[in-house]
Amino acid sequence: GAGVSQSPRYKVAKRGQDVALRCDPISGHVSLFWYQQALGQGPEFLTYFQNEAQLDKSGLPSDRFFAERPEGSVSTLKIQRTQQEDSAVYLCASSLGWGSGNTIYFGEGSWLTVV
Amino acid sequence: DAKTTQPNSMESNEEEPVHLPCNHSTISGTDYIHWYRQLPSQGPEYVIHGLTSNVNNRMASLAIAEDRKSSTLILHRATLRDAAVYYCILRQVDSGNTPLVFGKGTRLSVIA
Repeated sequence: GAGVSQSPRYKVAKRGQDVALRCDPISGHVSLFWYQQALGQGPEFLTYFQNEAQLDKSGLPSDRFFAERPEGSVSTLKIQRTQQEDSAVYLCASSLGWGSGNTIYFGEGSWLTVV
Repeated sequence: DAKTTQPNSMESNEEEPVHLPCNHSTISGTDYIHWYRQLPSQGPEYVIHGLTSNVNNRMASLAIAEDRKSSTLILHRATLRDAAVYYCILRQVDSGNTPLVFGKGTRLSVIA
């Protein structure tokens, strides 16, 4: 069965370039999460959607980071004017419903390197 | 979510049991204990979770102390494919879909 799919898998961006990272959650999953993971660290929360509504964006590190999920399925994380400190793995995750009993499923991540 | 403490790294021989400890001394009565693991170059994957009683599934067992201030993830026979970072995470019951809060986890190495 299809899991959470992310693209591109690897991205090299020049400093100052804009990037867009795509996430296809598991079909029917209502909740969608974005995380950022620096080398050697655990994933850090960025933002969360319930259907198309962005309920929490407290983890976005700056206003250069923007996420959307306009139709409540596919989501895009956009980073404007990338900087070297944005180099990380960006993980997308989804879960079926509301409630802490729902298992959260992660994609393999998009590896971003800013040069 | 309450904080957890795990050893930075552990090592195991292949085909031997592994006990991964987690301390959560400030756990509240409404916190579930969740374990996720992250294989190299993969996203985290769910392993097991529990509230008060010990839990078993096809991947692992979770032993929860009577006072719930600590727990242990048990892999009954470690294989090379179990080499990963293991995260112990607390989530409140009925907290909505609040995000998982990851620490640094325990890096498990398995020796052939």
